[in-house]
Amino acid sequence: KAGVTQTPRYLIKTRGQQVTLSCSPISGHRSVSWYQQTPGQGLQFLFEYFSETQRNKGNFPGRFSGRQFSNSRSEMNVSTLELGDSALYLCASSLGWSSSGNTIYFGEGSWLTVV
Amino acid sequence: AQKVTQAQTEISVVEKEDVTLDCVYETRDTTYYLFWYKQPPSGELVFLIRRNSFDEQNEISGRYSWNFQKSTSSFNFTITASQVVDSAVYFCALSGEEGNQFYFGTGTSLTVIP
Repeated sequence: KAGVTQTPRYLIKTRGQQVTLSCSPISGHRSVSWYQQTPGQGLQFLFEYFSETQRNKGNFPGRFSGRQFSNSRSEMNVSTLELGDSALYLCASSLGWSSSGNTIYFGEGSWLTVV
Repeated sequence: AQKVTQAQTEISVVEKEDVTLDCVYETRDTTYYLFWYKQPPSGELVFLIRRNSFDEQNEISGRYSWNFQKSTSSFNFTITASQVVDSAVYFCALSGEEGNQFYFGTGTSLTVIP
C-alpha cells in the first residue's frame, strides 16, 4: 500500500513568488492535514481538509491556503513568499475526521527554500 | 491549553545502552490521544504508537516500551539496548477533541554511538 506522496520534494523560490505543493493521501484516506516544520517553531499545524472542506485551521496568515479535491488529493499554496516561509512542509493523511483520535500518517515532506 | 513538552533537546548514548525520552503534556480535553513519531534525516515522520486517555496500560513492542501516567501527565518512551538505527529525532504529540489537529513537542534528537 503506497504511503503519503508529496511533490515536489525540494524547491527553491524567490521572495514574492508563490508556490503550490501537492499531496496524495494513502489510498482510502479522506482526511489530509498540513504541517510546517522549522528549526525555530517546530511542527505547527496549518490546516486540515476532509470531504473537500477545510475543517480546522492553524494560526497562519491568509497567504497560506489549501484545497482538497474529490479524490482526496490536496494542495497547499503560499503566496507572496517571505524568507521565513522556508521550511519543511509535511502532509499527513488519516481515514476520517472526528474527535476519535485518528492516527495521521506523514509523507516525506516538501523542502521549500525562499531566497 | 494544549501543550507538549519534551525537555530533552539532544541525547547521546552508546550502542546497547537503554534510553528514555520524556514527554509531558497539558490538555483541557477529557478525551485525548498521545502519540510518538520518529523522524529520520529523510524528513518523514514515522508513526510509532498511539494511546488514548482511558488506557494507562504500558506497552512494549520489541525494544520499545511506553509508560503512560495520567497522574503526572507524562508519556515516556524507552528504547532498550539501543542501536545505531535508532538515531533520529523523536516527537511526542497530542490530539484532543479538535479533529486531527496535533500538537507536537519540540522533539528529542537521539544519537546512538557505535
